[in-house]
Amino acid sequence: SQTIHQWPATLVQPVGSPLSLECTVEGTSNPNLYWYRQAAGRGLQLLFYSVGIGQISSEVPQNLSASRPQDRQFILSSKKLLLSDSGFYLCAWSVPAGDQYFGPGTRLTVT
Amino acid sequence: GQNIDQPTEMTATEGAIVQINCTYQTSGFNGLFWYQQHAGEAPTFLSYNVLDGLEEKGRFSSFLSRSKGYSYLLLKELQMKDSASYLCAGLSYNTDKLIFGTGTRLQVFP
Repeated sequence: SQTIHQWPATLVQPVGSPLSLECTVEGTSNPNLYWYRQAAGRGLQLLFYSVGIGQISSEVPQNLSASRPQDRQFILSSKKLLLSDSGFYLCAWSVPAGDQYFGPGTRLTVT
Repeated sequence: GQNIDQPTEMTATEGAIVQINCTYQTSGFNGLFWYQQHAGEAPTFLSYNVLDGLEEKGRFSSFLSRSKGYSYLLLKELQMKDSASYLCAGLSYNTDKLIFGTGTRLQVFP
């Protein structure tokens, strides 16, 4: 069966510090991978999605970036965090045109 | 546009039936998803409708009318554990991107 992992589960970082969130998927090959952010009391906002290694589409302009160095690994990064980057970050995977399944999420607080 | 609209909050009583509506304003969706999200947790998949009609899964059913841009999630025999946010999401046509509504927060009272 397929599983999706995210770490860390929670993170508190000062403004201006770098960020690296990791997501890995097991039990499937060549999945579509997604990064979402959910701000407090708001809906899910798609940040990045990837259909293959090195293929990243950015949905919103921001100070975040994503990379997919391996088939089942998706990394969300920032060089300098802003207060507005606080939120619940969710990684998801799907097969093409299939259901999306979410990881457990990372709660990021930027202070 | 690709707006997904759903009510912000709903309340219901344990044992009752509740219907959560979702409307969308685009012809560019190739299916409609429903997710459940408990506070502080990740969303979990509930249902996916790609054709018109009703899909039933135990206490939960989901309906889609593509011509009307309308879907609903029906929850029967409500339990306290059904208190959660319910997210409606459209699968963008020709891509694998989901466009989410802001979610409906359902509170079930005894």
